[in-house]
Amino acid sequence: GESVGLHLPTLSVQEGDNSIINCAYSNSASDYFIWYKQESGKGPQFIIDIRSNMDKRQGQRVTVLLNKTVKHLSLQIAATQPGDSAVYFCAENNYGQNFVFGPGTRLSVLP
Amino acid sequence: GAVVSQHPSWVICKSGTSVKIECRSLDFQATTMFWYRQFPKQSLMLMATSNEGSKATYEQGVEKDKFLINHASLTLSTLTVTSAHPEDSSFYICSARDSRRGRTDTQYFGPGTRLTVL
Repeated sequence: GESVGLHLPTLSVQEGDNSIINCAYSNSASDYFIWYKQESGKGPQFIIDIRSNMDKRQGQRVTVLLNKTVKHLSLQIAATQPGDSAVYFCAENNYGQNFVFGPGTRLSVLP
Repeated sequence: GAVVSQHPSWVICKSGTSVKIECRSLDFQATTMFWYRQFPKQSLMLMATSNEGSKATYEQGVEKDKFLINHASLTLSTLTVTSAHPEDSSFYICSARDSRRGRTDTQYFGPGTRLTVL
């Protein structure tokens, strides 16, 4: 089924620590996943993507891990900075069909 | 590259009026654009898929006569909220699919339009 929007869970981390944001996706046939960052009052911003034939992909300070067995996606942010504070959404896509968004996680970076 | 713009960024209107929101892909062609609605502290909910030169595909529960979508060119899609009511107040976000080779699935989002209906 599709993910439904609920009140956002919050993750608080100390500045400089690593952050791990988790996402459980719903469709085992999904073959493409994206992590988006959304700051207050703005549209989602692309962070990193991964296809189902991979289990790990690294970008600048970010790493996405995909576990297809348990339908789990995670976003790791290294050395979290105040500018990383935002809401993070995972999105799954099934062979070019529409993206389905997860409920989102609010990341708060503490000084 | 891959910039999507929306206009206006914020609109306040009276109940019963219609509001048009524009979504433009600035540096790429988008045969497909998507319209989302987002309520406070909630995730994005897809309203409709806009295809250039053809009718939009609406998600279940979205009234096509209330949310009119026009995708007249490869860089512009419009969403018109007709006879707006306070419950239509929300953050409307569009996205465009970059159809360039190797990037057929990536969607790029606009900055959103905040609609407030009084």
